[in-house]
Amino acid sequence: NAGVMQNPRHLVRRRGQEARLRCSPMKGHSHVYWYRQLPEEGLKFMVYLQKENIIDESGMPKERFSAEFPKEGPSILRIQQVVRGDSAAYFCASSLVDSAETQYFGPGTRLLVL
Amino acid sequence: GENVEQHPSTLSVQEGDSAVIKCTYSDSASNYFPWYKQELGKRPQLIIDIRSNVGEKKDQRIAVTLNKTAKHFSLHITETQPEDSAVYFCAASIIVGGNDMRFGAGTRLTVKP
Repeated sequence: NAGVMQNPRHLVRRRGQEARLRCSPMKGHSHVYWYRQLPEEGLKFMVYLQKENIIDESGMPKERFSAEFPKEGPSILRIQQVVRGDSAAYFCASSLVDSAETQYFGPGTRLLVL
Repeated sequence: GENVEQHPSTLSVQEGDSAVIKCTYSDSASNYFPWYKQELGKRPQLIIDIRSNVGEKKDQRIAVTLNKTAKHFSLHITETQPEDSAVYFCAASIIVGGNDMRFGAGTRLTVKP
């Protein structure tokens, strides 16, 4: 039973490029959450999605960041025109429909912007 | 929204001693309080959680206590071992798995052999 999968595990981008981070939730989970962890800091909520719907994006920066969770395929966190301050670990987590379970985290994508 | 504060930010103990990490939360409607352990470079892993209908929960060397009146909860690790060294995060949410879950800033625990 595979856990939450994220890829790539490490991503290096130059300033101004785009970063696309993928998250495949655990089998049977239809709720996905994205968190950002800056160096030496805690986990900050970014966005909560269900299939084809953004439920809560209150933690997302207003510009350059977008997220989707299509009917088929993984959830994507997209960062356009990356800047050095975007360097962080990005974790996604998933939970069940009408969850009686907690959120389970993926291994994270470590983004480095040069 | 919910605000979770966690103390201390760093904690160093001798192997075999106990470690206690405390968190407070602001939203009295919160009912679910998980604790995550994050080793260096790895994903946060759930180690224990507690729901508001109980005041204490134990799992081997780990225990969590909850005081809903005071809106605080604590993680207790007894007989600490070097492999307990990690960053520990508390969190609070109104429902399990809810998108309102908010994390504390983390406590870096170092267990000295």
